[in-house]
Amino acid sequence: DQQVKQNSPSLSVQEGRISILNCDYTNSMFDYFLWYKKYPAEGPTFLISISSIKDKNEDGRFTVFLNKSAKHLSLHIVPSQPGDSAVYFCAASEGGTYKYIFGTGTRLKVLA
Amino acid sequence: KAGVTQTPRYLIKTRGQQVTLSCSPISGHRSVSWYQQTPGQGLQFLFEYFSETQRNKGNFPGRFSGRQFSNSRSEMNVSTLELGDSALYLCASSAQGFGNTIYFGEGSWLTVV
Repeated sequence: DQQVKQNSPSLSVQEGRISILNCDYTNSMFDYFLWYKKYPAEGPTFLISISSIKDKNEDGRFTVFLNKSAKHLSLHIVPSQPGDSAVYFCAASEGGTYKYIFGTGTRLKVLA
Repeated sequence: KAGVTQTPRYLIKTRGQQVTLSCSPISGHRSVSWYQQTPGQGLQFLFEYFSETQRNKGNFPGRFSGRQFSNSRSEMNVSTLELGDSALYLCASSAQGFGNTIYFGEGSWLTVV
């Protein structure tokens, strides 16, 4: 039972263009969402979060959009840089459960 | 501010042995959670502790256990190791553990042979 899904295992984008990473979830009780970037042999690095009371959150080149009716969130990276090449995970949490459910990740490759 | 520290970083164990992994959270963080990442899988939740109390546990067998100390440091233990336990074990800490961002350590790479 995969409650959080990242249906695109990989994505390639040209440097300077927009990268859009998608994440779908099934549990309508999820109320907090996170995005992480992970390089090989390192722990995940927090990028940006969004609470279910918002539909957008921005931090520099990173913007997360939440569509609660569609149970969908997306991470936009503009402009994409070669250093953004990594695996990106979305995660969701239901308040009071103290745990996050992670997607299986999308490998982003930014081409110079 | 120091990040989440996990030790050891790499270890190799034999089937049937047991292993203990350690995690020191970010200073001031009282919630510590553990996740397992295996090849091709996302991160799977193991358990979460706050003020020495386990508040939630994932769907792992009883061979996986953990604890938290009064200084918020945490350990996880895996007994009777199986080949399938080979994975990256990640510890994360947060200030409250509820609707808060969790910050990960570098992980402990466990190989079971």
